[in-house]
Amino acid sequence: AAGVIQSPRHLIKEKRETATLKCYPIPRHDTVYWYQQGPGQDPQFLISFYEKMQSDKGSIPDRFSAQQFSDYHSELNMSSLELGDSALYFCASSSGTGPVRGAEAFFGQGTRLTVV
Amino acid sequence: AQSVTQLDSQVPVFEEAPVELRCNYSSSVSVYLFWYVQYPNQGLQLLLKYLSGSTLVKGINGFEAEFNKSQTSFHLRKPSVHISDTAEYFCAVSEGGADGLTFGKGTHLIIQP
Repeated sequence: AAGVIQSPRHLIKEKRETATLKCYPIPRHDTVYWYQQGPGQDPQFLISFYEKMQSDKGSIPDRFSAQQFSDYHSELNMSSLELGDSALYFCASSSGTGPVRGAEAFFGQGTRLTVV
Repeated sequence: AQSVTQLDSQVPVFEEAPVELRCNYSSSVSVYLFWYVQYPNQGLQLLLKYLSGSTLVKGINGFEAEFNKSQTSFHLRKPSVHISDTAEYFCAVSEGGADGLTFGKGTHLIIQP
């Protein structure tokens, strides 16, 4: 079965550079979620989109932005990168939104971002 | 705002022994509770969830959890563990109306042969 696809799987950037992470949800899923997991940390919810509109917002820094496109894929844009942005970034997708459906979201394998 | 506490950062257990991973939460409203498993270099996989109804919830891979509202707990159990259960386990909570999950710090389950 098709899963959530994230690209790239690994990314190395220097401080103050920008990075763009991409997420392709499971077909017919209309909701996308982004999470950040620092080394040895629990995942932190960043932001979610439902039908191309922002649905909920968590602890996403102002330097980050995201959007969901007409084909439902999503991109997380990160500017002025800092060393502390080094983390595993997960995308998840679900059909519909809300806490119940949100928890039935399927997670991708993540993009490991390293800022040097 | 909700929070999740996983009391044990690591739990070593012998193969075929039972295991319990503890999770406590705090919230001022009704919550939905979940357990996820993360294998090395992998994404998160949903083990089980409590939404409403029966407080004993059965999940995949032989895991189950019991919701205890008075103790605000949602402990995960398995009667007999296998080497393949070695992973990081996260308890998570969602309050009504919010998309995002709040995760605990995780418990590393170490299975010893």
